[in-house]
Amino acid sequence: QKEVEQDPGPLSVPEGAIVSLNCTYSNSAFQYFMWYRQYSRKGPELLMYTYSSGNKEDGRFTAQVDKSSKYISLFIRDSQPSDSATYLCAPHTSYGKLTFGQGTILTVHP
Amino acid sequence: GAVVSQHPSWVICKSGTSVKIECRSLDFQATTMFWYRQFPKQSLMLMATSNEGSKATYEQGVEKDKFLINHASLTLSTLTVTSAHPEDSSFYICSAREYSGRDTDTQYFGPGTRLTVL
Repeated sequence: QKEVEQDPGPLSVPEGAIVSLNCTYSNSAFQYFMWYRQYSRKGPELLMYTYSSGNKEDGRFTAQVDKSSKYISLFIRDSQPSDSATYLCAPHTSYGKLTFGQGTILTVHP
Repeated sequence: GAVVSQHPSWVICKSGTSVKIECRSLDFQATTMFWYRQFPKQSLMLMATSNEGSKATYEQGVEKDKFLINHASLTLSTLTVTSAHPEDSSFYICSAREYSGRDTDTQYFGPGTRLTVL
């Protein structure tokens, strides 16, 4: 079993839709939960990070962490074609290495 | 967010030559930097962890004599691919760790370097 499981998609939604991206993990020691967005042929861009459980909102993006169920979510409201990219969840322990999910390919069509 | 740069963004070289890639944290100090490799349509694969002033820690299966890493300052790490061969052609990405308290432990990635070995 992988430490982090993420549905690779691909996920295709119309512009304006609410997108839900999810990961599950098995390592109880994870304390930091990152979401990265990666466009083709570019380095990953940090979107959101959360320390421990809870919600965090930044503009159209909301990150949720439920440590009791080991479930990580990223919600994108009012999705735009420019949101089309691969989204990577990447939890880690304190001072630890990132553990990447497989990445979900998202396409937002006009 | 913090900015990490990489240079060059792409490089083409002949088989047998060595190539150096630089990774810089522009607006913060990074005691730890990481080097990744990514093949098309695959996720990032961690190659090594680089700590300022000490030897890098390589992941299993990564040849440390082939991929030389130096982290001489808090803002600069370099990856040298020695005696490059076509199978080393890939997308190399670095990241820099920013730690500023218990609830802030993040990694910022560079834009990547595309290496093509002929």
